[in-house]
Amino acid sequence: GENVEQHPSTLSVQEGDSAVIKCTYSDSASNYFPWYKQELGKRPQLIIDIRSNVGEKKDQRIAVTLNKTAKHFSLHITETQPEDSAVYFCPPDMGRRALTFGSGTRLQVQP
Amino acid sequence: GAGVSQSPSNKVTEKGKDVELRCDPISGHTALYWYRQSLGQGLEFLIYFQGNSAPDKSGLPSDRFSAERTGGSVSTLTIQRTQQEDSAVYLCASSLRLAQETQYFGPGTRLLVL
Repeated sequence: GENVEQHPSTLSVQEGDSAVIKCTYSDSASNYFPWYKQELGKRPQLIIDIRSNVGEKKDQRIAVTLNKTAKHFSLHITETQPEDSAVYFCPPDMGRRALTFGSGTRLQVQP
Repeated sequence: GAGVSQSPSNKVTEKGKDVELRCDPISGHTALYWYRQSLGQGLEFLIYFQGNSAPDKSGLPSDRFSAERTGGSVSTLTIQRTQQEDSAVYLCASSLRLAQETQYFGPGTRLLVL
């Protein structure tokens, strides 16, 4: 199956700073790269995704960049706010089976 | 429209009892997934259904776990002879198709085995 590694596992930033979470995957067949956010006590929700024919995608304060050669994609959050505090998951999609969510990255934004 | 719903929202049971967890996916979604999430942990894939294809049961942790999806819609996850280590939040998700689609999650069922 797909091996997914996220770095860092935990991240603490001051409100207003930027945060970057990196996801490394192993299967070169992966061609769809979503990011899910799970706030404490709530269900995971998709916040942004990117497909393999695109290198970068931006939506307001969040962006995702993809490096298929190096097999990693990253989530960038600018001007962080306390409501960005959550666990973020990056399950790359090979198109053949269910996603591998892994343990995620816990982001804490300090006010 | 309505999102994914799950019932019950909470379930407390005694060790050794059987439990059934229900998931109602979004209408028209052909793919349905079950995940398990222990406290403070990531999502553990259990099983998925895609249309009329045979389900992928590769994530089920033991033969005490089984799932059905009737009529391509509602799904039931059954845990027989529950153990304390089965305590977790069981999340159901659905998507329009299996691959490269947003998964929409239900609120989960919090299971506590005493």
